[in-house]
Order: sequence, then structure tokens, then C-alpha cells
Amino acid sequence: AQSVSQHNHHVILSEAASLELGCNYSYGGTVNLFWYVQYPGQHLQLLLKYFSGDPLVKGIKGFEAEFIKSKFSFNLRKPSVQWSDTAEYFCAVNLRATNKLIFGTGTLLAVQP
Amino acid sequence: DAGVTQSPTHLIKTRGQQVTLRCSPKSGHDTVSWYQQALGQGPQFIFQYYEEEERQRGNFPDRFSGHQFPNYSSELNVNALLLGDSALYLCASSLAWGEETQYFGPGTRLLVL
Repeated sequence: AQSVSQHNHHVILSEAASLELGCNYSYGGTVNLFWYVQYPGQHLQLLLKYFSGDPLVKGIKGFEAEFIKSKFSFNLRKPSVQWSDTAEYFCAVNLRATNKLIFGTGTLLAVQP
Repeated sequence: DAGVTQSPTHLIKTRGQQVTLRCSPKSGHDTVSWYQQALGQGPQFIFQYYEEEERQRGNFPDRFSGHQFPNYSSELNVNALLLGDSALYLCASSLAWGEETQYFGPGTRLLVL
């Protein structure tokens, strides 16, 4: 069965530290990849997505992610986090043309001022 | 432009009861998906509606059913509620069948006692 793994369940960083959140998926076919973010008290918001083309994609608020097909990975990065980045981050995959999103279990990021 | 809206925001039911949750998609979106998010987990796909028909279904029992109306709004019905149905129920909409970017509503928090 298709699955998405997020390796870090809780991450605590100080402001200005660099961030990398891991995401791996298991599926041999063609996929679309997403990172969603849920800020405290808010709903899930799209951070960035990869459908095709340049494997390095840039999203909102300075986030970027790199798709490495050979490793089935789509890691999220930010060079310098801010206190306002405190949120839960979800990696998600959908199988092309199914519109069915498969989510990881999420990573809770706490940024200390 | 209103995003995805859901009602009610919170609901408390007892075991064995039935519940109906409602969703209005983002303006212009015609595809609606429902997800269940248990505490500490990522959202899990329940089913998806397009052109008033259920197009895809996740691994949920028949107690979970839905409907889509001509104005693209949707309902999720759960019969014979179990304690384990307590969760945040998310609705997501997308622009058209095959458009893979889904936009999420704030969710309905269901507590089953």
C-alpha cells in the first residue's frame, strides 16, 4: 500500500536556525508531492507542490523542497526559521489523476525566540 | 473570495447516533474530498465527489456516506457512531477533476461520547 513517512515527529529550533524536514513515500508510479502547513488555530494551507519539471520547488514564506526521485524523497527546507514558523507540517502525495491525497503523520515544529 | 467553509465547527454526539457534516467548496471548485484526522495523525482520505457521484473511496466502512449537490456543496454522513469516530473531519475542494491541488476548510471537530 502507498504510504508517506515523516521521520521527525517533533522538532525544536531556535530562531535563525536552518530547517530540514524529511519525507519519504512508497509508490513506484508517477506522483505529485505537497507540503501543507497548519499554524496554531488555523486550517491546513498549501506550502508548496511539485508536479513536474525542476525538482527544486519554492513555496511561500521562504520554504523550498527538493524532489529526489531515486530516493523517493521530498524534503522541506528553510535556511533561517522564524518564531512565526511554529506549526505542524504535513507531507502528502497523490497518485497522478486520482486526486486522493495520502498524508504523513506530520511534524510539529516549535521555534524558540 | 470565500475559501472552503464547513459547518458546524464542533459537534458532540453519543455512540450509536448519526451525524451530518456540511461543506461548501471554494468558489468555482467542483470536486470535493473528505478526510478524517485523528489526534496526532495526518488526514486520511474518506471519499471524493465529482458531478454528484462518489468517484473514489478510501478504507472506510459503509457507515460513512456522502452526497454532493448541484451547487457542488457536499455532506458527509456517519451512521452508528463509534467512540473511534471522534476526530477532525476536513473537507477539501479542487478546481476540476484531475486538478490535483486541494484546498482545505477549517474542519469539523466531532466528539463521540
